[in-house]
Amino acid sequence: AQSVTQLGSHVSVSEGALVLLRCNYSSSVPPYLFWYVQYPNQGLQLLLKYTSAATLVKGINGFEAEFKKSETSFHLTKPSAHMSDAAEYFCAVSVRGGSNYKLTFGKGTLLTVNP
Amino acid sequence: DTGVSQDPRHKITKRGQNVTFRCDPISEHNRLYWYRQTLGQGPEFLTYFQNEAQLEKSRLLSDRFSAERPKGSFSTLEIQRTEQGDSAMYLCASSLLTSGRALEQYFGPGTRLTVT
Repeated sequence: AQSVTQLGSHVSVSEGALVLLRCNYSSSVPPYLFWYVQYPNQGLQLLLKYTSAATLVKGINGFEAEFKKSETSFHLTKPSAHMSDAAEYFCAVSVRGGSNYKLTFGKGTLLTVNP
Repeated sequence: DTGVSQDPRHKITKRGQNVTFRCDPISEHNRLYWYRQTLGQGPEFLTYFQNEAQLEKSRLLSDRFSAERPKGSFSTLEIQRTEQGDSAMYLCASSLLTSGRALEQYFGPGTRLTVT
């Protein structure tokens, strides 16, 4: 079975500062990895996904994530935070080789951006 | 694409009542997923359909829960004899299996259920 651990349920940064949201995964087979963002009263929106091509994945809104197999990590970064980045972020894993593609999510990290 | 829609957005019900939620996926998406999200937690997989066939159900889906996807279009999730523990956000997602984007699930805004 696969699982995801997001370190830090709440991260606060200043506008213009680096954003770093941490995600570690556990999977018995090579995983697919995802980051989703959820704004208040909205559904989840896919930011980016790792599918075994490049280990550095670029997503929407200036976010990127790096897959590190040795560290079983998939941390999300953005060089400069914007007020509009304030939201909840979820890391998720899906099993490679399966056919259901169901997602297993972490508990989420709430990002606050201070002016 | 108009996106995934869910109805209602909010539902308040008394314990013991039955409730039904509807999800309309992106047109022509053949995969449809249901997830449940409780406060402070990430979404948890409940079940999924490929076209009209329900292919997998989570152990979270007790006998009080039933989901359908007639004709492979919209889906309904019914909860019978609701309990306070059923209070959660119910999320629907869809994807197109036959494309190179099968991994990309598009989520609806969710239905927030409150059981009093």
